Amino acid sequence: DADVTQTPRNRITKTGKRIMLECSQTKGHDRMYWYRQDPGLGLRLIYYSFDVKDINKGEISDGYSVSRQAQAKFSLSLESAIPNQTALYFCATSDINKLGQSRETQYFGPGTRLLVL
Amino acid sequence: GENVEQHPSTLSVQEGDSAVIKCTYSDSASNYFPWYKQELGKRPQLIIDIRSNVGEKKDQRIAVTLNKTAKHFSLHITETQPEDSAVYFCAASFGAGNMLTFGGGTRLMVKP
Repeated sequence: DADVTQTPRNRITKTGKRIMLECSQTKGHDRMYWYRQDPGLGLRLIYYSFDVKDINKGEISDGYSVSRQAQAKFSLSLESAIPNQTALYFCATSDINKLGQSRETQYFGPGTRLLVL
Repeated sequence: GENVEQHPSTLSVQEGDSAVIKCTYSDSASNYFPWYKQELGKRPQLIIDIRSNVGEKKDQRIAVTLNKTAKHFSLHITETQPEDSAVYFCAASFGAGNMLTFGGGTRLMVKP
């Protein structure tokens, strides 16, 4: 789904470095999410945002922070990267209906593969 | 919060056979259950979903069944083809915002 893009697609960094992963969407969706994927653990929610002024922690937010710069942009930062943050990171979006209720289908970006040495 | 368990973690079938993947969830308030397919190196994509007011839903060769009492739901793929080989994730909604908790995934391999 080319409507949700992530940069970079691959990143190698060293322990202690600060890095930022970016997500942009042209779908016009209000809701955006960051997930982490590890083998055998599925997709785990890091942070989510229901609009520009609304940021919420997910299941595994420790060591991460986010910024919702605009409706279309949601960035994930690793303040001081550590090796166990090596994973595949996905951004996703979802929509709401006219009543403000969530449309549950989530659309994923292509992922960012991060390696922390 | 919601907890979703998915079995098996790997599944190997012969082309043409059926495949069944099962998930259980913990939150009885969950009302939406999607299934995502992730091909190698690709993003997860929704293939079918079911809401709690429905017991079964079919779309060509795939179907999903839901047992609310037992809190489990299953994905059924009939007449499997090599292009069905992928990792499949189940999920269940939770919270007022209908966030999703995902199962650990099932790697399906369809042997020609």
